[in-house]
Amino acid sequence: GAVVSQHPSWVICKSGTSVKIECRSLDFQATTMFWYRQFPKQSLMLMATSNEGSKATYEQGVEKDKFLINHASLTLSTLTVTSAHPEDSSFYICSAGRRPAGHLETQYFGPGTRLLVL
Amino acid sequence: GNSVTQMEGPVTLSEEAFLTINCTYTATGYPSLFWYVQYPGEGLQLLLKATKADDKGSNKGFEATYRKETTSFHLEKGSVQVSDSAVYFCALSDQSSGYALNFGKGTSLLVTP
Repeated sequence: GAVVSQHPSWVICKSGTSVKIECRSLDFQATTMFWYRQFPKQSLMLMATSNEGSKATYEQGVEKDKFLINHASLTLSTLTVTSAHPEDSSFYICSAGRRPAGHLETQYFGPGTRLLVL
Repeated sequence: GNSVTQMEGPVTLSEEAFLTINCTYTATGYPSLFWYVQYPGEGLQLLLKATKADDKGSNKGFEATYRKETTSFHLEKGSVQVSDSAVYFCALSDQSSGYALNFGKGTSLLVTP
């Protein structure tokens, strides 16, 4: 159990286009979903936290108009990179939080989406 | 604010060697501590966790003990295998951060036959 999928796994696009990445919790309802960005040989940096039905909370320095997050249901969150530029090329990873009653929330990670903007 | 510091890699060990990857943290509250592993070409997987001081997390032969007095959560394994080659991330979360994970920079481990 506790599987998180991401789609697509790879995307190459031209500069100026928008790219949508989906994150789904397949067998559980996620209390919260998180979006991270990972640069080569570096750690994951939290971009934003999203709760179903409410606006995402963005980390300092992350442009909310650039990285649009929609959390339409308890099993789906989407990240749209608008007007992508080469500096947006990165590995984007989502995680879904699951909090059984009385237990610590545990995050389950998707496999990531590698974005290359030409 | 919260932060995690872990030892720089890469770490190269021979099979069956003892492994220690150091991790220390700073936190304003009472965080939970985690080790995640990222195998080549795969996503992050939770390896083990500890939610309070003196707790020991363990999984697949790996162990880490939550030491509040030294603010540490060092990862250890008595005998590594080639299949343990991966990048290991120490992380913490607490209620003040909305349970978002704060990661260390990661330590790359290469185990040679």
